[in-house]
Amino acid sequence: AQSVTQLDSQVPVFEEAPVELRCNYSSSVSVYLFWYVQYPNQGLQLLLKYLSGSTLVESINGFEAEFNKSQTSFHLRKPSVHISDTAEYFCAVSETNRDDKIIFGKGTRLHILP
Amino acid sequence: DSGVTQTPKHLITATGQRVTLRCSPRSGDLSVYWYQQSLDQGLQFLIQYYNGEERAKGNILERFSAQQFPDLHSELNLSSLELGDSALYFCASSVENRPSYNSPLHFGNGTRLTVT
Repeated sequence: AQSVTQLDSQVPVFEEAPVELRCNYSSSVSVYLFWYVQYPNQGLQLLLKYLSGSTLVESINGFEAEFNKSQTSFHLRKPSVHISDTAEYFCAVSETNRDDKIIFGKGTRLHILP
Repeated sequence: DSGVTQTPKHLITATGQRVTLRCSPRSGDLSVYWYQQSLDQGLQFLIQYYNGEERAKGNILERFSAQQFPDLHSELNLSSLELGDSALYFCASSVENRPSYNSPLHFGNGTRLTVT
């Protein structure tokens, strides 16, 4: 069965500094990968997804994630964070041969420091 | 606004009681998923329905049950509540029965359940 590990439960970073949120997965088959974001007091929203093709995927608000098959990773990065990026970020995986459910990591809380 | 509506927003009840959480999916979405979010377990998949039929089951306790009605709204029933059931319960919906196939999950804002 697939699983997702987000190594950091919290990541503090200064405003305008770069950030990387780490995500590793395990699966015996090929996967789809996702990052969801949860702003305070809201539900989760899809940030970006990797289904196939280019291993680098981007979101509209400056985040990007790179699928690395050999390292089974899908780390999320942003070159310069803003206070509005304060949220919890969830990595998720779905196996391509039975993608009727998505498994989420435990989440990483991003704290932006002024 | 995701278009997914969950009621109530907050629920406080005592141990041993039973509660029902309700979810209305986004218009046009046929799949409904239930997740439990707690500090120690993170976001746990409970169960999925597609067009009224149970489609997938995750870490759902026997004390919990769910159903999806003909109008596609769904209810999650939690019975014999324990302190450890206190959590945020999310409903999500998607168009297809396979959320990853060009059909992302749309989440509601959740129901916060507190068991005292």
